[in-house]
Parts: sequence; C-alpha cells; structure tokens
Amino acid sequence: DAKTTQPPSMDCAEGRAANLPCNHSTISGNEYVYWYRQIHSQGPQYIIHGLKNNETNEMASLIITEDRKSSTLILPHATLRDTAVYYCIVRPSGIGSYDKVIFGPGTSLSVIP
Amino acid sequence: EAQVTQNPRYLITVTGKKLTVTCSQNMNHEYMSWYRQDPGLGLRQIYYSMNVEVTDKGDVPEGYKVSRKEKRNFPLILESPSPNQTSLYFCASSLGTGLNTEAFFGQGTRLTVV
Repeated sequence: DAKTTQPPSMDCAEGRAANLPCNHSTISGNEYVYWYRQIHSQGPQYIIHGLKNNETNEMASLIITEDRKSSTLILPHATLRDTAVYYCIVRPSGIGSYDKVIFGPGTSLSVIP
Repeated sequence: EAQVTQNPRYLITVTGKKLTVTCSQNMNHEYMSWYRQDPGLGLRQIYYSMNVEVTDKGDVPEGYKVSRKEKRNFPLILESPSPNQTSLYFCASSLGTGLNTEAFFGQGTRLTVV
C-alpha cells in the first residue's frame, strides 16, 4: 500500500481556507485518496475521497495533482470546530483487494480565533 | 440512523481478567475492523473481517481475538489483558472490500488494564 506524508501540524485563522497537503508519491493506479479527521479522541470521521479528479462535497474539496503523487484537502471557511487531526490515506480498490486501512500520524490542524 | 456502536465506552480491569468489547453496525456492511490508538503511534489496525467467518490479522494482533459469527457484530476479545493493552479502541465498518466507500467508526472504548 502506498504510504502518505503529511505535515505534523498547521494553524489556520478562523474564516480562512485551510489547505492541508499530503504526499503519496508511491500511489498506484487503483488506489484512492481518502481523508478522515478525528476530533479529540472521538471516532475518525470520513471527509472526502477521490481517484484522480478533483472532488467537492459539503465539507471540503479535494485537489489531486495530475500525476496523483500529492493532494490537498481544502476546508473553504475554517471554523473552530474544524480543529482536529486530519488523516490522508490511500486505499486500494478493485474487487478482491484487501481493504486494509493504514493511518499515519496525520496533521493536527488548529483553527485560531 | 447509520451507526457503529461499541460497548462499553470506558472500562477499567485487572491483568488477566478476560474481557470482550462489543461492536455492532446497522448498515449491513461486509467489512469490519478494530483499531487501537496510542499517543505518538496513531491508529493501528488489530484485526479485520471481510465477511462472516472471514477474519485476518492487522498490524498489531498479538493478545487479541475476534469473531464474526454474524454480519452486524464483530467483538474484540482480550483473553488475558495486560497493562500494555491499555489504549483507546475503535471499531469500524464499511460497505465492502475493494470498493471506494467510506468507513464508519464507533465512538471508541477507553480501556485501562491495571
């Protein structure tokens, strides 16, 4: 499985966009990029995922580079409730593949008033 | 409401006393797994199950057992707990293997072994 690299921590001013980068240079063609977040020891929460196209939902946008070696999660208007640890994960797809999810240390995002 | 339910949420036990942490999901998901989370080590997968009666080891299976007799339940069993199993445990489920679907996590079980 491809591994990911994220900065250990980031700050963002409340109301501004938070841009969280992730490197996954060894990603293979059938692996999706997923983002989860974990707010203070609660269960991780799914945010968004994508394969190669940019994706947007009500929580965030996901920008994946054309070579798929990196991606950026964008929280367009960060609030204090977005303070959390954000995990970037790559998961294989394809029928029959083992869906083993590997969590790295993630990025601790602090949204500052 | 779609959810993964773990019980208990908090548990303090003594070394060697067998315990079971239950996990149940109401989404008819095939795939379920257990994680433990420790400071500085992040989330590590203990065991996972791809369907009823199909289980496999994750990254840190030592000292744990699981069973998957029904699709909705995936209990985590500690036959002889030790203090190094003091941790925060999460159960998760998702629709199936190999599909681009999200995983749903329970709210966690904080276990202390003294």
